[in-house]
Amino acid sequence: NAGVMQNPRHLVRRRGQEARLRCSPMKGHSHVYWYRQLPEEGLKFMVYLQKENIIDESGMPKERFSAEFPKEGPSILRIQQVVRGDSAAYFCASSPGLAGIVYTGELFFGEGSRLTVL
Amino acid sequence: SQQGEEDPQALSIQEGENATMNCSYKTSINNLQWYRQNSGRGLVHLILIRSNEREKHSGRLRVTLDTSKKSSSLLITASRAADTASYFCATDEWGGKLIFGQGTELSVKP
Repeated sequence: NAGVMQNPRHLVRRRGQEARLRCSPMKGHSHVYWYRQLPEEGLKFMVYLQKENIIDESGMPKERFSAEFPKEGPSILRIQQVVRGDSAAYFCASSPGLAGIVYTGELFFGEGSRLTVL
Repeated sequence: SQQGEEDPQALSIQEGENATMNCSYKTSINNLQWYRQNSGRGLVHLILIRSNEREKHSGRLRVTLDTSKKSSSLLITASRAADTASYFCATDEWGGKLIFGQGTELSVKP
């Protein structure tokens, strides 16, 4: 029973390149959340998605960042033209949602993708 | 914006002692949750307390919630070296997303 799978676990990019981070939710989960964690800090909410819908993107930077959760395949967090300040750990979490299997309110987290921008 | 503020930011205790971490928040909530994060790893859910509950226990964990003061505390009794981790509170504001505090870094010395 696989948990939330994130890849890559580590990604190195040069300034100006694109970063794509992938997240496969737990089986049966239809809700995906992306969070960013800077060193020695807590998690900052970025975006909340359901299949083919963005529910809440209030934490997403206005430029360069986008997220999707297509009908088939993993959720993707895309960062265009990366800058050094984008270096962070990006965590994906999933939940079954209110209409899911058993909604407990908790989120299930992946191990994170650590982006380093040179 | 961040919802929770945690106190203390860092806590160092000896094995066998109790560890208490506090969390304050700003808006009304549906529930409050505590998560643990080992260094370099993802977050693991520990316990959830609903807004109409005042206290909850799970093994060596005890969580309290005071909605009038907008605060919660996590108590870990009889701590072990393996409890060394960062602990985060998170609030569910009815929108489905969780807002996390800055965390408390707990170090338990053997």
